[in-house]
Amino acid sequence: DVKVTQSSRYLVKRTGEKVFLECVQDMDHENMFWYRQDPGLGLRLIYFSYDVKMKEKGDIPEGYSVSREKKERFSLILESASTNQTSMYLCASSSRDRQETQYFGPGTRLLVL
Amino acid sequence: GQSLEQPSEVTAVEGAIVQINCTYQTSGFYGLSWYQQHDGGAPTFLSYNALDGLEETGRFSSFLSRSDSYGYLLLQELQMKDSASYFCAGTDSWGKLQFGAGTQVVVTP
Repeated sequence: DVKVTQSSRYLVKRTGEKVFLECVQDMDHENMFWYRQDPGLGLRLIYFSYDVKMKEKGDIPEGYSVSREKKERFSLILESASTNQTSMYLCASSSRDRQETQYFGPGTRLLVL
Repeated sequence: GQSLEQPSEVTAVEGAIVQINCTYQTSGFYGLSWYQQHDGGAPTFLSYNALDGLEETGRFSSFLSRSDSYGYLLLQELQMKDSASYFCAGTDSWGKLQFGAGTQVVVTP
């Protein structure tokens, strides 16, 4: 079974803090994605990566950056957390052969005070 | 980019059939995926249509009509465990997904 893990289920941070969200997948998938999920808005793509050291902006990249130094690990960074970044953050991965099937991690619920 | 519209909520009784419609406006549309998400859980893949027509997977079926920019997910023989949110998502050729806002399905006894 594909497993996607995220470093924390719940996180509370203060405005202005730098926040790191880690995601690891164990299926050797090429593609990795970061989404945020807010009520009534569905899942919105923040950043994605098709290969190591490669990153592309999604629909809402402002205020975020990412890092992919190893194939299995994709990190989301909030450089200076703000209250409007309070959300559920979901990581996903997919293989190049079956790109329509994304496997999601359990999510990190981030609260910025 | 893509935008996808789906109803916000559908309520039905156990054993019934529910159809969740999804209309899309896209550029670079490659196919339509459906995901299920239970409260507090992660989205899980249900089905994918790259071509027009019906795809059947057990009690769930998905349909796509490219000419109408329309698809649907059909849930048959509804069970209580089917209470969840269902998302349609447009796929581009790179495997990037654009999600609709989701449809909450409420199954009542």
